[in-house]
Amino acid sequence: GAVVSQHPSWVICKSGTSVKIECRSLDFQATTMFWYRQFPKQSLMLMATSNEGSKATYEQGVEKDKFLINHASLTLSTLTVTSAHPEDSSFYICSARSAGRSYEQYFGPGTRLTVT
Amino acid sequence: GQQLNQSPQSMFIQEGEDVSMNCTSSSIFNTWLWYKQDPGEGPVLLIALYKAGELTSNGRLTAQFGITRKDSFLNISASIPSDVGIYFCAGQLRGNKLVFGAGTILRVKS
Repeated sequence: GAVVSQHPSWVICKSGTSVKIECRSLDFQATTMFWYRQFPKQSLMLMATSNEGSKATYEQGVEKDKFLINHASLTLSTLTVTSAHPEDSSFYICSARSAGRSYEQYFGPGTRLTVT
Repeated sequence: GQQLNQSPQSMFIQEGEDVSMNCTSSSIFNTWLWYKQDPGEGPVLLIALYKAGELTSNGRLTAQFGITRKDSFLNISASIPSDVGIYFCAGQLRGNKLVFGAGTILRVKS
Protein backbone atom coordinates (compact mmCIF):
# COMPACT_ATOMS: atom_id res chain seq x y z
CA GLY A 1 0.00 0.00 0.00
CA ALA A 2 0.87 3.72 0.23
CA VAL A 3 1.55 4.34 -3.44
CA VAL A 4 2.11 7.84 -4.76
CA SER A 5 2.23 8.59 -8.46
CA GLN A 6 3.43 11.61 -10.39
CA HIS A 7 2.64 12.71 -13.89
CA PRO A 8 4.41 13.35 -16.11
CA SER A 9 7.59 11.46 -15.27
CA TRP A 10 9.55 13.82 -17.45
CA VAL A 11 8.81 16.95 -19.43
CA ILE A 12 10.71 19.28 -21.70
CA CYS A 13 9.32 22.76 -22.21
CA LYS A 14 10.38 26.02 -23.73
CA SER A 15 11.42 28.99 -21.67
CA GLY A 16 8.45 31.18 -20.79
CA THR A 17 5.85 28.44 -20.83
CA SER A 18 4.10 26.88 -17.83
CA VAL A 19 4.19 23.26 -16.78
CA LYS A 20 1.81 21.40 -14.48
CA ILE A 21 2.91 18.37 -12.47
CA GLU A 22 0.36 16.11 -10.78
CA CYS A 23 0.85 14.14 -7.57
CA ARG A 24 -1.69 11.48 -6.65
CA SER A 25 -2.03 9.18 -3.69
CA LEU A 26 -3.42 5.99 -5.21
CA ASP A 27 -4.52 3.88 -2.29
CA PHE A 28 -4.86 6.26 0.62
CA GLN A 29 -6.12 9.70 1.47
CA ALA A 30 -3.48 12.34 1.91
CA THR A 31 -4.42 15.32 4.03
CA THR A 32 -0.98 16.80 3.46
CA MET A 33 1.30 16.66 0.46
CA PHE A 34 4.77 18.08 0.16
CA TRP A 35 6.70 19.29 -2.86
CA TYR A 36 10.46 18.94 -3.04
CA ARG A 37 13.10 19.93 -5.50
CA GLN A 38 16.30 17.99 -6.03
CA PHE A 39 19.32 19.08 -8.04
CA PRO A 40 21.79 16.48 -9.35
CA LYS A 41 23.81 14.80 -6.62
CA GLN A 42 22.10 16.85 -3.94
CA SER A 43 19.57 16.21 -1.26
CA LEU A 44 15.86 17.01 -1.34
CA MET A 45 14.85 20.55 -0.53
CA LEU A 46 11.33 21.19 0.66
CA MET A 47 9.54 23.79 -1.45
CA ALA A 48 6.07 23.86 0.06
CA THR A 49 3.52 22.05 2.17
CA SER A 50 0.13 21.51 0.62
CA ASN A 51 -2.96 20.90 2.74
CA GLU A 52 -6.22 19.80 1.17
CA GLY A 53 -8.66 22.65 0.82
CA SER A 54 -6.31 25.39 1.99
CA LYS A 55 -3.48 27.52 0.68
CA ALA A 56 -0.03 25.99 0.49
CA THR A 57 2.71 27.04 2.87
CA TYR A 58 5.92 27.91 1.07
CA GLU A 59 9.43 27.62 2.42
CA GLN A 60 11.59 30.68 2.67
CA GLY A 61 13.01 31.68 -0.68
CA VAL A 62 10.41 29.83 -2.76
CA GLU A 63 8.30 32.14 -4.92
CA LYS A 64 4.65 31.26 -4.47
CA ASP A 65 3.64 33.09 -7.64
CA LYS A 66 6.11 31.07 -9.65
CA PHE A 67 5.36 27.68 -8.14
CA LEU A 68 1.57 27.45 -7.90
CA ILE A 69 0.26 24.63 -5.75
CA ASN A 70 -3.32 23.38 -5.69
CA HIS A 71 -4.46 20.61 -3.37
CA ALA A 72 -8.01 20.17 -4.58
CA SER A 73 -8.79 16.76 -3.14
CA LEU A 74 -7.48 14.22 -0.65
CA THR A 75 -5.73 12.34 -3.42
CA LEU A 76 -4.44 15.05 -5.76
CA SER A 77 -2.05 17.97 -5.53
CA THR A 78 -0.64 19.87 -8.49
CA LEU A 79 2.46 22.00 -8.89
CA THR A 80 2.52 24.48 -11.76
CA VAL A 81 5.83 26.04 -12.70
CA THR A 82 4.87 29.31 -14.32
CA SER A 83 6.97 31.15 -16.90
CA ALA A 84 9.64 28.49 -16.66
CA HIS A 85 13.28 29.34 -17.13
CA PRO A 86 16.29 27.06 -17.63
CA GLU A 87 17.26 27.49 -13.97
CA ASP A 88 13.94 25.84 -13.05
CA SER A 89 15.19 22.62 -14.61
CA SER A 90 15.31 20.09 -11.82
CA PHE A 91 13.84 16.88 -10.40
CA TYR A 92 10.56 17.64 -8.64
CA ILE A 93 9.31 15.10 -6.13
CA CYS A 94 6.09 15.06 -4.15
CA SER A 95 5.29 13.16 -1.01
CA ALA A 96 2.04 12.41 0.74
CA ARG A 97 1.26 11.91 4.38
CA SER A 98 -1.41 9.36 5.11
CA ALA A 99 -4.28 10.60 7.23
CA GLY A 100 -4.12 7.37 9.17
CA ARG A 101 -0.37 7.10 9.75
CA SER A 102 0.72 10.53 10.78
CA TYR A 103 4.47 10.18 10.79
CA GLU A 104 5.25 8.51 7.51
CA GLN A 105 5.61 10.24 4.19
CA TYR A 106 5.49 8.32 0.94
CA PHE A 107 7.22 9.73 -2.09
CA GLY A 108 6.26 9.81 -5.71
CA PRO A 109 8.69 8.71 -8.43
CA GLY A 110 9.58 12.28 -9.34
CA THR A 111 9.25 14.45 -12.44
CA ARG A 112 12.28 15.52 -14.43
CA LEU A 113 11.72 19.03 -15.80
CA THR A 114 14.01 20.39 -18.48
CA VAL A 115 13.48 23.96 -19.66
CA THR A 116 15.16 24.86 -22.94
CA GLY B 1 17.53 26.27 10.03
CA GLN B 2 17.95 22.68 11.06
CA GLN B 3 20.65 20.70 9.37
CA LEU B 4 21.49 17.06 9.43
CA ASN B 5 25.07 15.89 9.13
CA GLN B 6 25.12 12.55 7.35
CA SER B 7 28.22 10.44 6.98
CA PRO B 8 29.96 8.98 5.21
CA GLN B 9 29.33 10.85 1.99
CA SER B 10 30.00 7.72 -0.04
CA MET B 11 31.04 4.12 0.42
CA PHE B 12 32.46 1.54 -1.97
CA ILE B 13 32.33 -1.86 -0.35
CA GLN B 14 32.67 -5.51 -1.19
CA GLU B 15 29.55 -7.61 -1.57
CA GLY B 16 28.82 -9.38 1.70
CA GLU B 17 30.29 -6.68 3.90
CA ASP B 18 28.27 -4.82 6.50
CA VAL B 19 27.56 -1.12 6.07
CA SER B 20 27.04 1.56 8.65
CA MET B 21 26.00 5.19 8.17
CA ASN B 22 24.79 7.81 10.57
CA CYS B 23 23.21 11.19 10.96
CA THR B 24 23.65 13.79 13.65
CA SER B 25 21.87 17.02 14.33
CA SER B 26 22.16 19.97 16.65
CA SER B 27 18.39 19.87 17.03
CA ILE B 28 16.08 17.32 18.58
CA PHE B 29 13.73 15.40 16.31
CA ASN B 30 10.65 13.45 17.31
CA THR B 31 10.95 11.05 14.41
CA TRP B 32 13.86 9.78 12.36
CA LEU B 33 13.36 8.19 8.97
CA TRP B 34 15.69 6.42 6.60
CA TYR B 35 15.07 6.42 2.84
CA LYS B 36 16.76 4.88 -0.17
CA GLN B 37 16.71 6.58 -3.55
CA ASP B 38 17.59 4.92 -6.84
CA PRO B 39 18.65 7.11 -9.79
CA GLY B 40 15.74 8.94 -11.39
CA GLU B 41 13.25 7.78 -8.79
CA GLY B 42 11.72 9.05 -5.60
CA PRO B 43 12.93 8.02 -2.15
CA VAL B 44 11.52 4.82 -0.68
CA LEU B 45 10.95 4.60 3.07
CA LEU B 46 13.13 1.92 4.69
CA ILE B 47 12.68 2.40 8.40
CA ALA B 48 10.81 4.86 10.62
CA LEU B 49 11.85 5.47 14.24
CA TYR B 50 9.50 7.11 16.72
CA LYS B 51 11.05 6.77 20.17
CA ALA B 52 14.42 7.72 21.59
CA GLY B 53 16.52 4.61 22.01
CA GLU B 54 14.34 2.60 19.64
CA LEU B 55 16.11 -0.09 17.64
CA THR B 56 14.19 -1.33 14.60
CA SER B 57 15.00 -3.91 11.96
CA ASN B 58 13.69 -4.45 8.46
CA GLY B 59 15.28 -7.53 6.97
CA ARG B 60 19.00 -6.89 6.70
CA LEU B 61 18.54 -3.27 7.77
CA THR B 62 18.75 -2.08 11.35
CA ALA B 63 18.33 1.48 12.51
CA GLN B 64 18.41 3.16 15.89
CA PHE B 65 17.01 6.41 17.21
CA GLY B 66 19.66 7.95 19.43
CA ILE B 67 18.86 8.39 23.09
CA THR B 68 19.52 12.13 22.86
CA ARG B 69 17.10 12.33 19.89
CA LYS B 70 19.82 14.12 17.95
CA ASP B 71 21.24 11.20 16.03
CA SER B 72 20.44 7.97 14.25
CA PHE B 73 22.33 5.23 12.50
CA LEU B 74 21.49 2.72 9.79
CA ASN B 75 23.25 -0.61 9.40
CA ILE B 76 22.99 -2.92 6.41
CA SER B 77 24.26 -6.43 6.95
CA ALA B 78 25.68 -8.70 4.26
CA SER B 79 25.37 -6.18 1.46
CA ILE B 80 24.24 -7.30 -1.99
CA PRO B 81 24.46 -5.54 -5.37
CA SER B 82 20.88 -4.28 -5.23
CA ASP B 83 21.73 -2.28 -2.10
CA VAL B 84 23.41 0.22 -4.42
CA GLY B 85 21.81 3.65 -4.23
CA ILE B 86 21.67 6.80 -2.18
CA TYR B 87 20.55 6.56 1.42
CA PHE B 88 19.05 9.58 3.14
CA CYS B 89 18.28 10.15 6.75
CA ALA B 90 15.47 12.55 7.57
CA GLY B 91 14.30 14.15 10.77
CA GLN B 92 10.71 15.11 11.14
CA LEU B 93 9.72 18.49 12.50
CA ARG B 94 6.40 19.79 13.67
CA GLY B 95 3.98 20.13 10.82
CA ASN B 96 5.42 16.89 9.47
CA LYS B 97 8.14 18.67 7.53
CA LEU B 98 11.17 16.56 6.83
CA VAL B 99 14.75 17.76 6.97
CA PHE B 100 17.04 15.56 4.91
CA GLY B 101 20.68 14.70 5.29
CA ALA B 102 22.99 15.12 2.32
CA GLY B 103 22.86 11.42 1.53
CA THR B 104 25.28 8.48 1.51
CA ILE B 105 26.12 7.02 -1.88
CA LEU B 106 26.57 3.27 -1.59
CA ARG B 107 28.39 1.26 -4.22
CA VAL B 108 28.85 -2.49 -3.94
CA LYS B 109 31.56 -4.51 -5.65
CA SER B 110 30.42 -8.00 -6.56
